Amino acid sequence: KQEVTQIPAALSVPEGENLVLNCSFTDSAIYNLQWFRQDPGKGLTSLLLIQSSQREQTSGRLNASLDKSSGRSTLYIAASQPGDSATYLCAVDTGRRALTFGSGTRLQVQP
Amino acid sequence: DVKVTQSSRYLVKRTGEKVFLECVQDMDHENMFWYRQDPGLGLRLIYFSYDVKMKEKGDIPEGYSVSREKKERFSLILESASTNQTSMYLCASSPTDTGVTEAFFGQGTRLTVV
Repeated sequence: KQEVTQIPAALSVPEGENLVLNCSFTDSAIYNLQWFRQDPGKGLTSLLLIQSSQREQTSGRLNASLDKSSGRSTLYIAASQPGDSATYLCAVDTGRRALTFGSGTRLQVQP
Repeated sequence: DVKVTQSSRYLVKRTGEKVFLECVQDMDHENMFWYRQDPGLGLRLIYFSYDVKMKEKGDIPEGYSVSREKKERFSLILESASTNQTSMYLCASSPTDTGVTEAFFGQGTRLTVV
């Protein structure tokens, strides 16, 4: 059974720092991996999707990488801002159409 | 822009009531999903549907049923609500293209059962 782990569970950084969020999965047979952002009490907003054949995707200050063989993905946030404060979730699609989620990393960017 | 709309942001229901949570998507996606999210447990899949009138159980289907009579609408039904079903419920949709099944989520329904 696929398991997804995110480390750290929580992170607090000063504004302007570059930071890395980690995601690992136990079964490398995935179709894609998706990173989401969730603000308190709200739904999920899709940030980046990396297909299994890709190594990375970029959107603005966000860069996500994927290493299928080692079962790892990272989300890099450059020049963090207080507006980046949220919970970040990674999820993998193993072909059953539904996603398997990690528990998330709660990020606080201090002004 | 893909839009997934859940009918309520907040609901309070009594134990034993039959509860309907509605979800509508406007992108003609084949797949629709219901998850619940609880602190410390993350998002867990309740049911999903890959076509009209088709459904499959997820990881935690007990106490729930679903209905998909039209492609754009997917309903989650709590047959007899219980306090342990107090949770945040999230609906999602995605297209069928293998490998690019980007999922889009609604804003969530916070259900409290008293």
